Amino acid sequence: AQSVTQLGSHVSVSEGALVLLRCNYSSSVPPYLFWYVQYPNQGLQLLLKYTSAATLVKGINGFEAEFKKSETSFHLTKPSAHMSDAAEYFCAVSGEDMRFGAGTRLTVKP
Amino acid sequence: GAVVSQHPSRVICKSGTSVKIECRSLDFQATTMFWYRQFPKQSLMLMATSNEGSKATYEQGVEKDKFLINHASLTLSTLTVTSAHPEDSSFYICSARFRGDTDTQYFGPGTRLTVL
Repeated sequence: AQSVTQLGSHVSVSEGALVLLRCNYSSSVPPYLFWYVQYPNQGLQLLLKYTSAATLVKGINGFEAEFKKSETSFHLTKPSAHMSDAAEYFCAVSGEDMRFGAGTRLTVKP
Repeated sequence: GAVVSQHPSRVICKSGTSVKIECRSLDFQATTMFWYRQFPKQSLMLMATSNEGSKATYEQGVEKDKFLINHASLTLSTLTVTSAHPEDSSFYICSARFRGDTDTQYFGPGTRLTVL
């Protein structure tokens, strides 16, 4: 069975600082991996997805993620945090259905 | 990008009544639609998967007679919460995927249900 684990339920960074949200996956087959963002009282918006074309995936809003098979990781990064990045972030893996991590709440301090 | 809408965005109802939530794919035909439930500060819990024209597949522990799902067309799925009770209060989110991008789910904005 496929699954993802997000390390850290809450990450706090200062505005302008590097954002790093961690995700590790478990899959017996090459995975399709996703990062979604959820703002309060809203649905999930797709940030980016990995489908084996390239290990470094660029997404919207300046986010990117790198697929590392040796580490079974798919961490999400952004070089410089903006106040508007404050939200809940979900890592997910797709198979027959989609399995989500528990989520990481990102707080950006001014 | 693929757009999914939900209606209503918020609904408040009395205990014992039924509530219908609509999920529409606006610019694509959805081969499969999914219904999730999300509790405060938690991740999404898959309730059921529905394919157009066939019965929905429910996850273990989800009462199919309580949460009725109809996927009558390639652009519309409905979730009806029957005889709602306060414990059914939650945030319900639908998603859809389409032929040609079958690994990605596109999510609706969610519906906040409050049962008094």
